[in-house]
Amino acid sequence: DIQMTQSPSSLSASVGDRVTITCRASQSISNFLNWYQQKPGKAPKLLMYGASSLQSGVPSRFSGSGSGTDFTLTISSLQPEDFATYYCQQSYSTPLYTFGQGTKLEIK
Amino acid sequence: EVQLVESGGGLAQPGGSLRLSCAASGFPFSNFEMNWVRQAPGKGLEWISYISSGGDTIYYADSVRGRFTISRDNAKNSLYLRMNSLRAEDTALYFCARGIVAGRNYYFDYWGQGTLVTVSS
Repeated sequence: DIQMTQSPSSLSASVGDRVTITCRASQSISNFLNWYQQKPGKAPKLLMYGASSLQSGVPSRFSGSGSGTDFTLTISSLQPEDFATYYCQQSYSTPLYTFGQGTKLEIK
Repeated sequence: EVQLVESGGGLAQPGGSLRLSCAASGFPFSNFEMNWVRQAPGKGLEWISYISSGGDTIYYADSVRGRFTISRDNAKNSLYLRMNSLRAEDTALYFCARGIVAGRNYYFDYWGQGTLVTVSS
């Protein structure tokens, strides 16, 4: 199985900060990498697909990059509503889709 | 508006059974692949099952294969998960999620709010 490892596991930041979350795959997954945001008690929300494509309705302060094994999700200027847990998900090993363990973004 | 509403969760004893349902609306359900994803309390997301739009192709994660059965009724716009031989480690919030194929990429674009399954004696 392909393992997805996110770093950091948790992160404290302030409103207006630029934040980057990293996701590393245990083998090359091309660009078959997606990002989700989950707030407490809520369903996950799709942010990015195909590593760098922004889902409709998602603010442009979110961006994604990477290919192969290393990927990043960047929030250019943190807003109060961005404090949440973020997950990456690979789809290279269809249908054994796996998620990273999550990165919890907290207010400093 | 796309809506996915899960139901059927609750308390079950180890070795027991439950049947989860997911009612879909706001999109042509029969055209879309569907999935179940679960989240143990305080833990991350785990994909557990997939079903094709017509119901003829089905996949399971190793953790549930042989115990869980996914199915769908396109006439009723509904997705199901029959869960047998439940274990304590099956305790989780169960989400249904719509799947999208984009080239070779696959992602979940809409999710329900989840239904909680607790397995305990």
